[in-house]
Amino acid sequence: NAGVTQTPKFQVLKTGQSMTLQCAQDMNHNSMYWYRQDPGMGLRLIYYSASEGTTDKGEVPNGYNVSRLNKREFSLRLESAAPSQTSVYFCASSTGTGARTPFFGQGTRLTVV
Amino acid sequence: ELKVEQNPLFLSMQEGKNYTIYCNYSTTSDRLYWYRQDPGKSLESLFVLLSNGAVKQEGRLMASLDTKARLSTLHITAAVHDLSATYFCAVDMGAGNQFYFGTGTSLTVIP
Repeated sequence: NAGVTQTPKFQVLKTGQSMTLQCAQDMNHNSMYWYRQDPGMGLRLIYYSASEGTTDKGEVPNGYNVSRLNKREFSLRLESAAPSQTSVYFCASSTGTGARTPFFGQGTRLTVV
Repeated sequence: ELKVEQNPLFLSMQEGKNYTIYCNYSTTSDRLYWYRQDPGKSLESLFVLLSNGAVKQEGRLMASLDTKARLSTLHITAAVHDLSATYFCAVDMGAGNQFYFGTGTSLTVIP
C-alpha cells in the first residue's frame, strides 16, 4: 500500500521557471493538503481540498496554485518560482471524517536559485 | 488567526530522564495530533486525541489533551536515544478540515 506519493523528490529551479508538484493517494481519502516546511517555522498550510472538486487557500497561498484533478490527485503549481519558495513541500491526505488523521507523503525538496 | 505554539523549541535531555513538551493553541478545537519527524524524513503519526481529557500512551510517550486550557502535553518517560527526533503537534480546525501545526520541538537524547 503506497499511501501518499509525491513526485519529484528533489528539484532545482531557476528564478522565474514554473513547475508542478504531483501528489497522489491510494487510501480513498476525501481531503488533501499541501504544506511547506521551513526551518524554525514548522509546517504551514498552502492550500487544501476538503473534497473532490473544492480547493481553498491556507496560511501561505501567494505564489501557488492547485488543482484537485480527481479524488486521488492534488497538484501544486509554482507559476514563476522565487528563491523564497525554496522549501520542503509535503502533501497529505485524510479521510475528512472520523479521526481525520492526516497522512503525509515523503516530501519534495525544492531549491530555487 | 490560529496560533499553535510549542515549547520548548529545542530540548536536550539525558537518557533515563523525564520531560514534557507543551502545545498551546489559540482557538477552540477538540482534536489534536502529535507527529514525529526524523531528519530528512516525512511525518509519522504518533497520537490522535479526540476529546477533552483524552490520554494516549505508546511506549515511553504519553500524550494528553485539555481542551478547556487549549493545551496538550507530550510526556517522555525514561528517555532513550531512539526518541531523538522533532515532534510536532497539530490542531484540527474542524470546518473545512484544516490542520495547523506547531513549530516543532527538536529533541536530542544524549547518553
